[in-house]
Amino acid sequence: DADVTQTPRNRITKTGKRIMLECSQTKGHDRMYWYRQDPGLGLRLIYYSFDVKDINKGEISDGYSVSRQAQAKFSLSLESAIPNQTALYFCATSDFRGWGTDTQYFGPGTRLTVL
Amino acid sequence: SQQGEEDPQALSIQEGENATMNCSYKTSINNLQWYRQNSGRGLVHLILIRSNEREKHSGRLRVTLDTSKKSSSLLITASRAADTASYFCATDHSVRGSNYKLTFGKGTLLTVNP
Repeated sequence: DADVTQTPRNRITKTGKRIMLECSQTKGHDRMYWYRQDPGLGLRLIYYSFDVKDINKGEISDGYSVSRQAQAKFSLSLESAIPNQTALYFCATSDFRGWGTDTQYFGPGTRLTVL
Repeated sequence: SQQGEEDPQALSIQEGENATMNCSYKTSINNLQWYRQNSGRGLVHLILIRSNEREKHSGRLRVTLDTSKKSSSLLITASRAADTASYFCATDHSVRGSNYKLTFGKGTLLTVNP
């Protein structure tokens, strides 16, 4: 979805390096999410944010941190990358219309390889 | 785990045939959603069915939900080669006032042969 963009699209880095993945959206949604996808494991939630001041850990937040700079921007950082963080990372947004009705809109993904 | 589980893991059919994928889950839900992912790309939302609904249609898609069996099925009729993708169910187990939980299954890889 062109309304949700991620940069970079591909990144190769070395163990121990700090890396930031960025997500921007023009959909005007308050809610944003970061997921990682590994083969055979589906999508797992890393962090989510309901607004600029509301950030929450997901099921696999260890080794990651996030920053919600504005409604439209949500960044994911790996402070010291390790090889098992090699994965496909997705940012998503959702348009909250009431409890139990969220649908999510995904960016194109960032393929991260940690050597 | 509350994670939805799709079945089968992979499905290969001929163009024009119908494709049925199933999703099972373990705890009560508010809604269940289906998403499609073309190879290496972002997920695209297909359809949402609420816990008080039993069936929903959208174009060639038909989704059913059986909360007593904690299962859902996605039927794609008259399949096309362009339907080749992975299909994921996602279940919302959140409780009003508590942390949001949308949990994705591992997906069914559908291949539609021309």
